[in-house]
Amino acid sequence: RKEVEQDPGPFNVPEGATVAFNCTYSNSASQSFFWYRQDCRKEPKLLMSVYSSGNEDGRFTAQLNRASQYISLLIRDSKLSDSATYLCVVNGEGDYKLSFGAGTTVTVRA
Amino acid sequence: EPEVTQTPSHQVTQMGQEVILRCVPISNHLYFYWYRQILGQKVEFLVSFYNNEISEKSEIFDDQFSVERPDGSNFTLKIRSTKLEDSAMYFCASTPRGTYGYTFGSGTRLTVV
Repeated sequence: RKEVEQDPGPFNVPEGATVAFNCTYSNSASQSFFWYRQDCRKEPKLLMSVYSSGNEDGRFTAQLNRASQYISLLIRDSKLSDSATYLCVVNGEGDYKLSFGAGTTVTVRA
Repeated sequence: EPEVTQTPSHQVTQMGQEVILRCVPISNHLYFYWYRQILGQKVEFLVSFYNNEISEKSEIFDDQFSVERPDGSNFTLKIRSTKLEDSAMYFCASTPRGTYGYTFGSGTRLTVV
């Protein structure tokens, strides 16, 4: 079983729409959870950390369900600039290494 | 905003040649990492480095790979004898501690021909 699994998409949405997607992780001992954003052929950039109680950062809302081992990301009022690949990331079995999902591609159209 | 700097941005090398990828982590960070991403695939952990030694490595990081921090600022990844399947984007990263505060460099695209 893959450590982190994501629906690859693509999610193709109009500007202003809401889009949501999940990822699941296999290691129940994982402690840290993140959503990163990656633009084509660029480095991953941290979008937000994900906390147990759920958290919001502007138009982005992340939820964590430890019992079911899934993490979600919701983007409200999508902008053209939100078009990117969103990477679900958890800390791995070692202390500090990160395990990445393969990414969910979101395309926001005008 | 502090940055992780990687050079070169693109390296083309012949199969069997040695390559050295260079990184300058953020100055007050203590943990350093190399990750790679083969085109169209996920980002994969290669190695972590702390206190002048490898703290963890993946099964990808075999005897062909080595890392060094030759001075107070640079952090290098060496591939001794490159193979075609080493073609990938290599990202350096650093953190002050733990998994929070990760900053990735912009990557070196390695093409082995």
